[in-house]
Amino acid sequence: EVQLVESGGGLVKPGGSLRLSCAASGFTFSSYSMNWVRQAPGKGLEWVSSISSSSSYIYYADSVKGRFTISRDNAKNSLYLQMNSLRAEDTAVYYCARVYWVYDSSGPFDYWGQGTLVTVSS
Amino acid sequence: DIQMTQSPSSLSASVGDRVTITCQASQDISNYLNWYQQKPGKAPKLLIYDASNLETGVPSRFSGSGSGTDFTFTISSLQPEDIATYYCQQYDNLPPDFGGGTKVEIK
Repeated sequence: EVQLVESGGGLVKPGGSLRLSCAASGFTFSSYSMNWVRQAPGKGLEWVSSISSSSSYIYYADSVKGRFTISRDNAKNSLYLQMNSLRAEDTAVYYCARVYWVYDSSGPFDYWGQGTLVTVSS
Repeated sequence: DIQMTQSPSSLSASVGDRVTITCQASQDISNYLNWYQQKPGKAPKLLIYDASNLETGVPSRFSGSGSGTDFTFTISSLQPEDIATYYCQQYDNLPPDFGGGTKVEIK
């Protein structure tokens, strides 16, 4: 069974940092591109970042470029999001999500984690 | 960036009704369009990919159509368990943006 489990969320002050993790199981993690998607309270879905299976291709939304860094450790079946210079508008539930097709860098997101809440407030 | 305009933003329908949601892209995205269902407090769930392909295990009352810039998502007979917010998403270009969502309620 495919499982994605996020962790690392919490309360952080503006300007602070946080590192999110997503532990994957039930599939060959190293074969799939992965994404982070966030959802502010009461709002819609916003794509944040994506990383290809071998980390060769990395993309960011303009809203987080230069502040967030996506990475992965295929040996540990884990995806990460390092978030620096956090702002109030980064407050959201952060989901990790798998791209549907093996080795494709883009596509539908077929499996999602349960999400982890990041709150940026003084 | 490609803008995805979803309508309506909310709707109320009776059990058994046919429900239709539209999604318009600001430029041609071929058939690179997905539909997701999100229930309160839960992660989104993929229902339809590539405009009209039903994801495995998704009930056949859900369907999608369209290509280019105009897409339609249909629930042929609304069920109580379909209460959720539905999002379209394009993946023709980065960023793979989502529409604003359609909240479906029971009348």
